[in-house]
Amino acid sequence: GAVVSQHPSRVICKSGTSVKIECRSLDFQATTMFWYRQFPKKSLMLMATSNEGSKATYEQGVEKDKFLINHASLTLSTLTVTSAHPEDSSFYICSAPSNRDYYGYTFGSGTRLTVV
Amino acid sequence: AQSVAQPEDQVNVAEGNPLTVKCTYSVSGNPYLFWYVQYPNRGLQFLLKYITGDNLVKGSYGFEAEFNKSQTSFHLKKPSALVSDSALYFCAVRDGAGNNNDMRFGAGTRLTVKP
Repeated sequence: GAVVSQHPSRVICKSGTSVKIECRSLDFQATTMFWYRQFPKKSLMLMATSNEGSKATYEQGVEKDKFLINHASLTLSTLTVTSAHPEDSSFYICSAPSNRDYYGYTFGSGTRLTVV
Repeated sequence: AQSVAQPEDQVNVAEGNPLTVKCTYSVSGNPYLFWYVQYPNRGLQFLLKYITGDNLVKGSYGFEAEFNKSQTSFHLKKPSALVSDSALYFCAVRDGAGNNNDMRFGAGTRLTVKP
């Protein structure tokens, strides 16, 4: 089946530094990828939609300059948290529409970001 | 825009008993409905979906869900719960008539199965 590989699974960084999270579709081409943020015991909040070859579409209230998204190829999308602060600590998950028959999304395993 | 409601934050059942996790939806076009399960610090795993056809959908790990158009519901069920079913469950909906891929999730229901 379709697989989305996300890494790192966990990262701890210092305030003010930047962190890059990668999501790769391993056995299918993903022209679109979605980035979610999940707070403890909360649902997934859609942050942005990345599109291969064009700019990402951000949801209202999400800072474009804080959360940089690049969809470099049909199999790779990256989320960079710039100048991270402790309030950026969260669980970040990517997903991609996998195939026509499924109609759903395939999710990465998530990245736990802790900013200290 | 499409939306999903999961009215229960928490569901507790005893092992061996049947379980139900509730979900209602709102969508302007045809609903594509999904259930996902999440274990701690992991991504979401697909359980089952309803796109069209039979209202009773069977999925992974013995789970099933019934699509009820008149009640706009898609409740998740399992005849006999296992302790290992304890996890966070999300209902999700896409608007089948739309051209975008936007999927919306419910707030999640934490299922705890006690031995």
